[in-house]
Amino acid sequence: QQPVQSPQAVILREGEDAVINCSSSKALYSVHWYRQKHGEAPVFLMILLKGGEQKGHEKISASFNEKKQQSSLYLTASQLSYSGTYFCGTETDMNRDDKIIFGKGTRLHILP
Amino acid sequence: DAGITQSPRHKVTETGTPVTLRCHQTENHRYMYWYRQDPGHGLRLIHYSYGVKDTDKGEVSDGYSVSRSKTEDFLLTLESATSSQTSVYFCAIRGTGTSPLHFGNGTRLTVT
Repeated sequence: QQPVQSPQAVILREGEDAVINCSSSKALYSVHWYRQKHGEAPVFLMILLKGGEQKGHEKISASFNEKKQQSSLYLTASQLSYSGTYFCGTETDMNRDDKIIFGKGTRLHILP
Repeated sequence: DAGITQSPRHKVTETGTPVTLRCHQTENHRYMYWYRQDPGHGLRLIHYSYGVKDTDKGEVSDGYSVSRSKTEDFLLTLESATSSQTSVYFCAIRGTGTSPLHFGNGTRLTVT
């Protein structure tokens, strides 16, 4: 079952912060985050494993709430280069069959 | 960049004709995936492989078949293409453990 991402789209001015959420109705083993620029392939940002760890990547970080089966991606002081569509991908805990299911994506547009 | 190549990059075909898309990797990764991407639907898993001759269905497998006779190649076949299969198809590879997906550049398929 597809994880649910919110919001569907967001427009920010350069320097503002954004939060993108990803939730699942199933127990999760891991959550992946990817960014896709228009006309390009998705590019990996980070993986979070169950255990509630938070990861950071420059001004982009993420958290994973195992109890709620939710992950959030935080973009701090956004830059023009952050524009694109963000996808979360989830692996469920039940089978660990290495099937990764993606949400529908969140379109992020940064204005100068 | 991960060594993954999709061919062809673009294809136009007629309804009812068979089509085969190829994904080739040079990373010796165990896992390979086929996704399709359509506006409003994000990335949807078609089929995936967890080893040579080991494949399984994804979310939207109807009308598609796959084969993996060698570690490096994963073929996606549309036995009789339909207009609903017009899409951008991405192949992805993944190593073992908690490693990320690496995507190919995609194949844009148009079924007229």
